[in-house]
Amino acid sequence: QVQLVESGGGVVQPGRSLRLSCAASGFTFSSYVMHWVRQAPGKGLEWVALISYDGGNKSYADSVKGRFTISRDNSKNTLFLQMNSLRVEDTSVYYCVRARAGFDIWGRGALVTVSS
Amino acid sequence: SSELTQDSAVSVALGQTVRITCQGDSLKTYYASWYQQKPGQAPVLVIYGKNNRPSGIPDRFSGSTSGDTASLTITGAQAEDEADYYCNSRDSSGALYVFGTGTKVTVL
Repeated sequence: QVQLVESGGGVVQPGRSLRLSCAASGFTFSSYVMHWVRQAPGKGLEWVALISYDGGNKSYADSVKGRFTISRDNSKNTLFLQMNSLRVEDTSVYYCVRARAGFDIWGRGALVTVSS
Repeated sequence: SSELTQDSAVSVALGQTVRITCQGDSLKTYYASWYQQKPGQAPVLVIYGKNNRPSGIPDRFSGSTSGDTASLTITGAQAEDEADYYCNSRDSSGALYVFGTGTKVTVL
């Protein structure tokens, strides 16, 4: 079945780095734009970044621009989010999301906690 | 980036109709999509485009837009519709995306 599974979350100190991965299955990964969306504890959804089908086009929310990098490996059906210079306010559940007409498939999320 | 504003909470009696609104300048240009999120779960797409429901979404959910305001209507609300609802659209530049502030729906 169509599935997205995030991994790589954990606890990290402020200023350090972390890389999230998202394994896609059950669909032609290379045919879809992919996004990362996050949700801080008890807060609303925040769009983070998107990447085009072939990885040639990327966009970022102002809150992460210059610190986070989205990428993909279509040969391995995997989406990535490299997060550098992490801040306490980056603490969130990070969702990997497939997009066609709307964000139609979501992963279960990976919790990233930034704390000293 | 532009903002999308929603009421923080609304309540509806079982079987009645509730409308959730989402206001923002970008909605004059781009359609909103709507997401339902229950506690501890990932969001689920319920409406996209002009007024389209993904497979498996009950037809009591419908969407509309007028000017800078998008609306999600639940006609005949059920107990299982109690959840947080978020709108989403592109921002005014068209390059980025933005979520609404979210509306908590309580079914009485």
